Amino acid sequence: GQNIDQPTEMTATEGAIVQINCTYQTSGFNGLFWYQQHAGEAPTFLSYNVLDGLEEKGRFSSFLSRSKGYSYLLLKELQMKDSASYLCAVRGPNAGKSTFGDGTTLTVKP
Amino acid sequence: NAGVTQTPKFRVLKTGQSMTLLCAQDMNHEYMYWYRQDPGMGLRLIHYSVGEGTTAKGEVPDGYNVSRLKKQNFLLGLESAAPSQTSVYFCASSTSGSKNIQYFGAGTRLSVL
Repeated sequence: GQNIDQPTEMTATEGAIVQINCTYQTSGFNGLFWYQQHAGEAPTFLSYNVLDGLEEKGRFSSFLSRSKGYSYLLLKELQMKDSASYLCAVRGPNAGKSTFGDGTTLTVKP
Repeated sequence: NAGVTQTPKFRVLKTGQSMTLLCAQDMNHEYMYWYRQDPGMGLRLIHYSVGEGTTAKGEVPDGYNVSRLKKQNFLLGLESAAPSQTSVYFCASSTSGSKNIQYFGAGTRLSVL
């Protein structure tokens, strides 16, 4: 099975940089996803990593180390609209199945 | 450009009642999923399907049944609702490739009294 750990809550200041960590233990690994979920809304895709290293997409970057079972999501130049829950999800060996962490609620303050 | 559509958006049931949640996608995706999300928690997989006519159990399948008679539709049924099934239910769909990004519907908020 899969076990995924993320911090429950984080707070940061507008304009700053924040790093949200995700650690996982898995019986099989076929990729790691980050999703953003605003309160009362559906999750939306942010990033995907399957190989070690950094993937950059605008203000958001995601890093993966498969040997350490570790990923992080880096958000730069924080904006108020970045206040949301960030979900880490690991795709396991079974086709189509991903296991989600409980999410990290990020609050951006002025 | 509908994407994934869930109906209904809200529902209140009494204990023991049954209902069906409908999910429809127009992206020709092979895979479809049903999740539940409880307050302060992530998404827990109830059932999923890797193609028309196929279904499989996820992490929390008890008390739910599903059917995928058409590729674009995935139905979630509650035969005898219980208060523990009060939750927000999300449907999602994805391609079958390695980078199978999931696209989510807006959710169904279900209360069982």
